[in-house]
Amino acid sequence: GAVVSQHPSWVICKSGTSVKIECRSLDFQATTMFWYRQFPKQSLMLMATSNEGSKATYEQGVEKDKFLINHASLTLSTLTVTSAHPEDSSFYICSAREVQGAVGQPQHFGDGTRLSIL
Amino acid sequence: KQEVTQIPAALSVPEGENLVLNCSFTDSAIYNLQWFRQDPGKGLTSLLLIQSSQREQTSGRLNASLDKSSGRSTLYIAASQPGDSATYLCAAGKAAGNKLTFGGGTRVLVKP
Repeated sequence: GAVVSQHPSWVICKSGTSVKIECRSLDFQATTMFWYRQFPKQSLMLMATSNEGSKATYEQGVEKDKFLINHASLTLSTLTVTSAHPEDSSFYICSAREVQGAVGQPQHFGDGTRLSIL
Repeated sequence: KQEVTQIPAALSVPEGENLVLNCSFTDSAIYNLQWFRQDPGKGLTSLLLIQSSQREQTSGRLNASLDKSSGRSTLYIAASQPGDSATYLCAAGKAAGNKLTFGGGTRVLVKP
C-alpha cells in the first residue's frame, strides 16, 4: 500500500529555532501534499496545500512567512517552522495524494511530528 | 464553509458490543467521505472511503454508510475488541483541491 514517511517524529528545541519537517511518499508520486496541525484532543486543521513545482496554498489565518513549505519533487514536501515559539508546539501531520489518482482518491497520512518548543 | 461534527466525543463499551459512530456535515456537496483511525500520538490510518455516489462501504467488521441528503455518515464496528480502542475521525472531501474537513473525532474505549 501507499506509504508516507514523516521525519522527524519528535522534536524538542529552544524558542527562536527554525525546525524543518520532511514528508516523503515512499512508493508513489504525489503532486499534492497537505499539511495539518493538531492540538491535544482536537481534530486536524488544514494549514496548507503543497503543490509540486509551485507555491503552496495556505488556509486563512496561517502565516506564510511562519510556516514555509517547499515541494521540490514528486516525493518530498518540507514544512519549516521559522523562529518557533512555545505556541507553535503541536502535532504536525502531512498527507499525500497519488499523481495517478483522480480528485477524490484517498489521502495517505504520515505518522506525524510532535514539535515541542521550550 | 463545511462543518463536520462527531457525536459522541467519547464512547466506552464492553468487549463484543457493536459500535456505532456518527458523523454529520453541513454541506452536502461533498466528493467523498472518509473514516480514519488514530492511535495516541500517531498519524491517521484510513479505514473506509465512500464516494459521493455510493451509499456504503464494507471492510471486514467495519461498515460505513453515507446519506448525503441528510448530511450523515455512520461507521459500524461489529463485535468490538479491545484493539479497536482508538480515536475515530471522519472527514468530508471537497472536490476542489481534494481538501478534507475533519470532525472532532470520537474516542472509543473497548473494555475487556
